[in-house]
Amino acid sequence: DQQVKQNSPSLSVQEGRISILNCDYTNSMFDYFLWYKKYPAEGPTFLISISSIKDKNEDGRFTVFLNKSAKHLSLHIVPSQPGDSAVYFCAALNIQGAQKLVFGQGTRLTINP
Amino acid sequence: DAGVIQSPRHEVTEMGQEVTLRCKPISGHNSLFWYRQTMMRGLELLIYFNNNVPIDDSGMPEDRFSAKMPNASFSTLKIQPSEPRDSAVYFCASNPFVGGNYGYTFGSGTRLTVV
Repeated sequence: DQQVKQNSPSLSVQEGRISILNCDYTNSMFDYFLWYKKYPAEGPTFLISISSIKDKNEDGRFTVFLNKSAKHLSLHIVPSQPGDSAVYFCAALNIQGAQKLVFGQGTRLTINP
Repeated sequence: DAGVIQSPRHEVTEMGQEVTLRCKPISGHNSLFWYRQTMMRGLELLIYFNNNVPIDDSGMPEDRFSAKMPNASFSTLKIQPSEPRDSAVYFCASNPFVGGNYGYTFGSGTRLTVV
């Protein structure tokens, strides 16, 4: 039972354009969401997060949007840079519950020069 | 801080052999997590500890897998006997869960190949 889903295994975007990565979840108890970035041969690193009391959180070029009614979140990267090429994981947890992160399958983002 | 330290970085073993993966969490982090990354399922939680006590091992695939945390600075994940389908990258992560910090810090992972 995949509670967090990233339906696009890969995404290719031209440098300077906007990258949009999508994530869906099924568990309505999730109230905190995170995005992680992973380079080859390294562990995932935290990128940005959002609480369910918000619908948007911005940090520099990265913005995460949350649509609770649709159980959907997205990560926008503007403008995209070659160094953004990596695998991006969406994750969710229930703060009041087990506090264990549930991850999606990941989306490989490639930024083309 | 050196971050979460995992060893070895790479492990190649023959089917049937015992494999032990090691993890040193960040000092002061009271929660430790073991994840496995595969192409099909992404990052799967295997087990997690809070204050050295196993809290949830529902993700451990079979009895061949076991994990221990004898103290706050060390944890092991053991596979005995190993099988080719266990080949994956295994990550350890830790978190203090204080001050609203819910993100984990991951180690660099151990790439396990069972032949």
